[in-house]
Amino acid sequence: DQQVKQNSPSLSVQEGRISILNCDYTNSMFDYFLWYKKYPAEGPTFLISISSIKDKNEDGRFTVFLNKSAKHLSLHIVPSQPGDSAVYFCAASKNFGNEKLTFGTGTRLTIIP
Amino acid sequence: DAGITQSPRYKITETGRQVTLMCHQTWSHSYMFWYRQDLGHGLRLIYYSAAADITDKGEVPDGYVVSRSKTENFPLTLESATRSQTSVYFCASSESPRQFEAFFGQGTRLTVV
Repeated sequence: DQQVKQNSPSLSVQEGRISILNCDYTNSMFDYFLWYKKYPAEGPTFLISISSIKDKNEDGRFTVFLNKSAKHLSLHIVPSQPGDSAVYFCAASKNFGNEKLTFGTGTRLTIIP
Repeated sequence: DAGITQSPRYKITETGRQVTLMCHQTWSHSYMFWYRQDLGHGLRLIYYSAAADITDKGEVPDGYVVSRSKTENFPLTLESATRSQTSVYFCASSESPRQFEAFFGQGTRLTVV
């Protein structure tokens, strides 16, 4: 049972435009959410996180939005750059990140120059 | 080199063979983790370790054995490899038990034929 779902396996966006990656979860006990970025032949790297007490967290070009009622989070990248081309994983945890991570299946983002 | 390194980067083995994936970190982090990444599943935790000689099962431990005689090393052994263990394996380390604070290695792509 996939508790964290990324329904779009891939996404292509023009350079300079906004990239929006989506993630849905089913377990209402999750209260801490993260996005990871992964380049080919490298391990995932932490990108941005959000606690369930917030609905938005921003870090430079990256913003994560959380809609608890819909059990949905999204990652916005503005403006998109070629270096943003990667696979993005969302992940969720309970107890504000103190319990194990449950990962989504990933979305491959391609930025078109 | 400082950081976390995995070896080998690529491995092909036959069904029934024993194979060991190595993980080495230079930060003296207490916590180390092994994940596998498969299409349709994201990353799943296999085993983790809180310190030398302390290990515990994750989400998908069956068919795997770990040891941690030294803080810096955390080898993962497949005692009798099966085709279902074909995957990309990631090791990670962290100062804290919070998985989201961990740094990942570059991964080992294992193919079992």
